[in-house]
Amino acid sequence: DVKVTQSSRYLVKRTGEKVFLECVQDMDHENMFWYRQDPGLGLRLIYFSYDVKMKEKGDIPEGYSVSREKKERFSLILESASTNQTSMYLCASSSGGNRGWLAFFGQGTRLTVV
Amino acid sequence: AQTVTQSQPEMSVQEAETVTLSCTYDTSESDYYLFWYKQPPSRQMILVIRQEAYKQQNATENRFSVNFQKAAKSFSLKISDSQLGDAAMYFCAFYGGATNKLIFGTGTLLAVQP
Repeated sequence: DVKVTQSSRYLVKRTGEKVFLECVQDMDHENMFWYRQDPGLGLRLIYFSYDVKMKEKGDIPEGYSVSREKKERFSLILESASTNQTSMYLCASSSGGNRGWLAFFGQGTRLTVV
Repeated sequence: AQTVTQSQPEMSVQEAETVTLSCTYDTSESDYYLFWYKQPPSRQMILVIRQEAYKQQNATENRFSVNFQKAAKSFSLKISDSQLGDAAMYFCAFYGGATNKLIFGTGTLLAVQP
């Protein structure tokens, strides 16, 4: 079974702190994604990466950056956390090839910025 | 840019009855995938069903089926013989190979009444 693991299920950080959310996948997937989920807004794409050291902005990249130094790990960075970044964050990785395109999700990190 | 629209924020169905969740999308791509994901209170995103755009036949997975209308850009999910365990948030999602993005709608919260 594909496993996508997010480092924390719940996180509480202070305003202005630098925050790292880590995501690791074990299936050698090339694509990885970071989303934030807010009530009434669904999942909004923050950043995605299609290869090591490659990244693309999603729909709401402001206030975030990402790092992908190794294929299995995709980190989301909040350079200076703010209260409006309180949200649920979901990571996904995707496969392609003969079985068609499919995304697998982590269990989510609920981040509270106080 | 691709967009996914779910116009029903909440739906309710009686146990054993049938319910249809609506989804429309907009894209200029010809090669893409459409998905329905289920998110129960555990927050884990679970794939319900997948449709490849080039396939004319509607996808079916046990009690779940889709009505894929490519020309109308419509992708509805039908749940037959609804069960209490079907209660969850349901997200419609689009993946286009040209942009490499997985885009979600705002979700439909489904309640199942005993």
